[in-house]
Amino acid sequence: SYVLTQPPSVSVAPGQTARITCGGNNIGSKSVHWYQQKPGQAPVLVVYDDSDRPSGIPERFSGSNSGNTATLTISRVEAGDEADYYCQVWDSSSDYVVFGGGTKLTVL
Amino acid sequence: QVQLQESGPGLVKPSQTLSLTCTVSGGSISSGDYYWSWIRQPPGKGLEWIGYIYYSGSTYYNPSLKSRVTISVDTSKNQFSLKLSSVTAADTAVYYCARKYCSSTSCYLFDPWGQGTLVTVSS
Repeated sequence: SYVLTQPPSVSVAPGQTARITCGGNNIGSKSVHWYQQKPGQAPVLVVYDDSDRPSGIPERFSGSNSGNTATLTISRVEAGDEADYYCQVWDSSSDYVVFGGGTKLTVL
Repeated sequence: QVQLQESGPGLVKPSQTLSLTCTVSGGSISSGDYYWSWIRQPPGKGLEWIGYIYYSGSTYYNPSLKSRVTISVDTSKNQFSLKLSSVTAADTAVYYCARKYCSSTSCYLFDPWGQGTLVTVSS
């Protein structure tokens, strides 16, 4: 089955840029979606189709996807961005929805 | 806008069947544009897709859970439901319902999600 690999944690100071990676075999050929989950809350879609933002999501959230790595970039990080972030794809070969293991973003 | 709300028992005994319902408000479950999904998250762990259903009753399940999962829909009540049989402690998780929809390039986006409900499997 298809595996998505995320770093367990990323730390960044307020105002800096956070980059959260999601690795997978030829992930650049897939559409990658990113979810933000704050403690005790349900996940929220923050980036879809590699780099698009749902309405209401700040422009500080952006994404890219190429080769074997997709990246969620959060610019000008704020304390309120502290959360777990999950990448997600659909694996067509198995008709299976796959989530990454999640990355905890800590704002120092 | 559309909102989803899970309901059901918070405690299930081992070997029994877990049953949850998701009530959709602010929109019709019979809209042909969406599928309706279940996703779970064990305490302190990541997300696991369980399956989804179309309003017509067509279902798609996670192969690893397929033998124990049944998802059904009741369009008259604007609800869909999850049954997971022969549960063990490993099925203890927060269970979320979510709407699955299509973008221009992908049909596997989940938004919005319900608030989630914790189901504990214990005797």
